[in-house]
Amino acid sequence: DAGVIQSPRHEVTEMGQEVTLRCKPISGHDYLFWYRQTMMRGLELLIYFNNNVPIDDSGMPEDRFSAKMPNASFSTLKIQPSEPRDSAVYFCASSVTGEGNQPQHFGDGTRLSIL
Amino acid sequence: AQTVTQSQPEMSVQEAETVTLSCTYDTSESNYYLFWYKQPPSRQMILVIRQEAYKQQNATENRFSVNFQKAAKSFSLKISDSQLGDTAMYFCAFYDYKLSFGAGTTVTVRA
Repeated sequence: DAGVIQSPRHEVTEMGQEVTLRCKPISGHDYLFWYRQTMMRGLELLIYFNNNVPIDDSGMPEDRFSAKMPNASFSTLKIQPSEPRDSAVYFCASSVTGEGNQPQHFGDGTRLSIL
Repeated sequence: AQTVTQSQPEMSVQEAETVTLSCTYDTSESNYYLFWYKQPPSRQMILVIRQEAYKQQNATENRFSVNFQKAAKSFSLKISDSQLGDTAMYFCAFYDYKLSFGAGTTVTVRA
């Protein structure tokens, strides 16, 4: 079975541009998570969805960040306008349920570089 | 917010030897889950092992085992018979309603 699929794998863009990261969760997984990984802050949860509905977006750093899940097989994380401090690896993960006995499966991440 | 502490930024081990990574956490919850994830240079996040707080028995997955001390809030990972492919960053994670990660320990296996 295919795992969590993220695109693009790498993104380099200039400050001020809009950036859209994409994620396809594993089929049948009801929960989808977006994480950001930086050297300074480690891995931090940005937002998660249950059945396409955002449940907790308290980790979203500011209004420049937005996430959507229009259907069960697709989610986007958008940054507009982008800034150099947004440079990080962004991971998407999915799980069958929100219970801890169902582990989260991670995508390969998108390395974002804002110049 | 839950806190997860990994006090060893880096560890080095000879191939075939054993290495133990430490992890402590802070929580007032009685039931929760603990995980170890591995992140090799390829950047993937790979689940290594998990433990439910209610289970007394320490989890084991092949060469990976944990020492779960609930009262001490400690969750260490032991890698036995280390292999070159074990070289990676290892993250301890705590789950109640969301995953909180430690800062990670970089493990280098030497040939």
